[in-house]
Amino acid sequence: AQSVTQLDSHVSVSEGTPVLLRCNYSSSYSPSLFWYVQHPNKGLQLLLKYTSAATLVKGINGFEAEFKKSETSFHLTKPSAHMSDAAEYFCVVSVTLNYGGSQGNLIFGKGTKLSVKP
Amino acid sequence: ETGVTQTPRHLVMGMTNKKSLKCEQHLGHNAMYWYKQSAKKPLELMFVYNFKEQTENNSVPSRFSPECPNSSHLFLHLHTLQPEDSALYLCASSLTRGSVAFFGQGTRLTVV
Repeated sequence: AQSVTQLDSHVSVSEGTPVLLRCNYSSSYSPSLFWYVQHPNKGLQLLLKYTSAATLVKGINGFEAEFKKSETSFHLTKPSAHMSDAAEYFCVVSVTLNYGGSQGNLIFGKGTKLSVKP
Repeated sequence: ETGVTQTPRHLVMGMTNKKSLKCEQHLGHNAMYWYKQSAKKPLELMFVYNFKEQTENNSVPSRFSPECPNSSHLFLHLHTLQPEDSALYLCASSLTRGSVAFFGQGTRLTVV
């Protein structure tokens, strides 16, 4: 079975300081992993995705995430937070079968709300 | 702009009303989804359509009725809803099931 755990429900940082949002996953097969961001009263926007290519994935708005198989982690980072980064972030896992197809649905974490203080 | 459009953006309805939510994508995607997002709860997958066929219904009450007339359109028909059904309803589409999903802006539903 696949699952994803976001270790922090709320993270607060000061503007200009680094951001770390933690995510651990469980998957019996090679996972695809995604981070989505949701600003208040908006839909979800894809930040970045990992699909078995480079383990360090760069996304939009200066975010990146590193896939660590040994730690079953896919933490999201940004070197310097901006006020506009305040939003909710979702880590998502999907199953990819060995032959390259995919099955099942996207499994969402419970979300981490990021606050950025001036 | 993700290419997935939901209408209306906001909807207030009484418990005896019948209304429909609409979702449209012209991305050439074959899978479409309805999600419910309630305050302080995880995102809940409601329905999945793959090549216009419903492949998943996550124990959703029958007062929610999905319809997928073609691969570009997805509806959620609502009738005799309860106040606890008030939530943000999100539509998404993906090329195949489990691949990157693109979300609409959502419909904020309030049941009074």
